[in-house]
Amino acid sequence: QSVLTQPPSASGTPGQRVTISCSGSSSNIGSNTVTWYQQLPGTAPKLLIYSNDQRPSGVPDRFSGSKSGTSASLAISGLQSEDEADYYCSAWDDSLNGRVVFGGGTKLTVL
Amino acid sequence: EVQLLDSGGGLVQPGGSLRLSCVGSGFTFSSYAMSWVRQAPGKGLEWVSGITGSGGITNYGDSVKGRFTISRDNSKNTLYLQMNSLRAEDTAIYYCAKGRTSYDYWGQGTLVTVSS
Repeated sequence: QSVLTQPPSASGTPGQRVTISCSGSSSNIGSNTVTWYQQLPGTAPKLLIYSNDQRPSGVPDRFSGSKSGTSASLAISGLQSEDEADYYCSAWDDSLNGRVVFGGGTKLTVL
Repeated sequence: EVQLLDSGGGLVQPGGSLRLSCVGSGFTFSSYAMSWVRQAPGKGLEWVSGITGSGGITNYGDSVKGRFTISRDNSKNTLYLQMNSLRAEDTAIYYCAKGRTSYDYWGQGTLVTVSS
C-alpha cells in the first residue's frame, strides 16, 4: 500500500485533457514539493515535473503540475498516443527519519 | 551528457548477498546526492535508499533497513548498494538515480532475482 494515493488508471482520447490526482498527508505533500515521473513500457522512469509545477527542459508544455494542501495533480492537455504510460507522483516524507514516498502509479490509456 | 550505468544484478538464493554498482558520468558526481529506487515485477516504484554527495548522511526505506547499505566512492564516480540477507520480496529491477528527493536522471536498471 503506497503512502501517496493515485487512481490506478485513467484514459482519454487524442486531443483531450486528462488529469491524474495524487493525495498525501501533512508529512509529505503538505510540507514538501511534489515530483511526477513518466514511465514508458520497459524503460526507466523519466522526470516530468519537479517542484510541484516545474518542467525540465525538453518536456512539452502540454504537461503541467499543481499542488494544493496535501494533494497534487498532473494535467496532460492535447493528449497524444505516445503519452500512454505509467505516471508516478512522489514527495519527501518527514516521518521515520526522512524518506521518499511514491504513489502507486496511474496507467494512462489513450483510446 | 549525464549517464548512469547500473550493474551487479543477478540470481541469488534467499539469505544471500549481492552488491550493485552505478557509475556516473557527465556531471560532478561528488556534488550530488544519489539514490536507489526499485520496482518489483509488474509493480510500482519503491524508494530504497539515498546518500548525500559527501556520503556523510544516508537514509533507508523500512523494508531494507538493517540489511542494505548504501555507499559511494567519489574518486571512482561510483555508487554502491550492498544487499545482505536477501528475501524473495527483494526481487526487482534496481535503478540508481541522481538526486535526493527528485531524480532528474536514472540508470537503465539492473535486475535482482532472489530465488532458490
